[in-house]
Amino acid sequence: AQSVTQLGSHVSVSEGALVLLRCNYSSSVPPYLFWYVQYPNQGLQLLLKYTSAATLVKGINGFEAEFKKSETSFHLTKPSAHMSDAAEYFCAVSLPSGNTPLVFGKGTRLSVIA
Amino acid sequence: DAGVIQSPRHEVTEMGQEVTLRCKPISGHNSLFWYRQTMMRGLELLIYFNNNVPIDDSGMPEDRFSAKMPNASFSTLKIQPSEPRDSAVYFCASSFPPDRDSSIGETQYFGPGTRLLVL
Repeated sequence: AQSVTQLGSHVSVSEGALVLLRCNYSSSVPPYLFWYVQYPNQGLQLLLKYTSAATLVKGINGFEAEFKKSETSFHLTKPSAHMSDAAEYFCAVSLPSGNTPLVFGKGTRLSVIA
Repeated sequence: DAGVIQSPRHEVTEMGQEVTLRCKPISGHNSLFWYRQTMMRGLELLIYFNNNVPIDDSGMPEDRFSAKMPNASFSTLKIQPSEPRDSAVYFCASSFPPDRDSSIGETQYFGPGTRLLVL
């Protein structure tokens, strides 16, 4: 079985500060890992994904994440927060093959303070 | 491309009524997923299809829920009878076959969701 734990249901940062959203996973097989963002009253949009290639993955809007097998982590970072980054962020895991369901974490709400 | 299309976007109904949610996946995608989002349980899979065939429906809460995919461009999720605890946002997502392009085959594209309120 696979599972995802996102530490911190709510993270607040100042505009221009580092964004760090934490994600730890559990999987009996090498996983695929994803970060999705959800803006209010919208669907989920893929930020980035890890599919067993490079461990440091760069995504849209300046976000990146690093897969660390030894720590079973896939934390999301952005060097400088922007007001438009305020949203809900979800980490997800799936089996290492296409077309299989995602297992999501509970989500982290990011607030950006001016 | 129009993306994944879901209808209706909002639905308010009374307990005991039948509710039908609709989804049109992105053209060329061969997998379709139904997820439900609630405050208590977060995002959870209800059912998914590959090539119009249901693969795993273990997430469907009970017999009141049913889903169909009669062809590659349309799926429905039906709740009959509906109950207040079914109130949630229901998302449909679709993805390409994995061997079409290994860089995108794993990505699920989500629709805007249907916000269901059962009174």
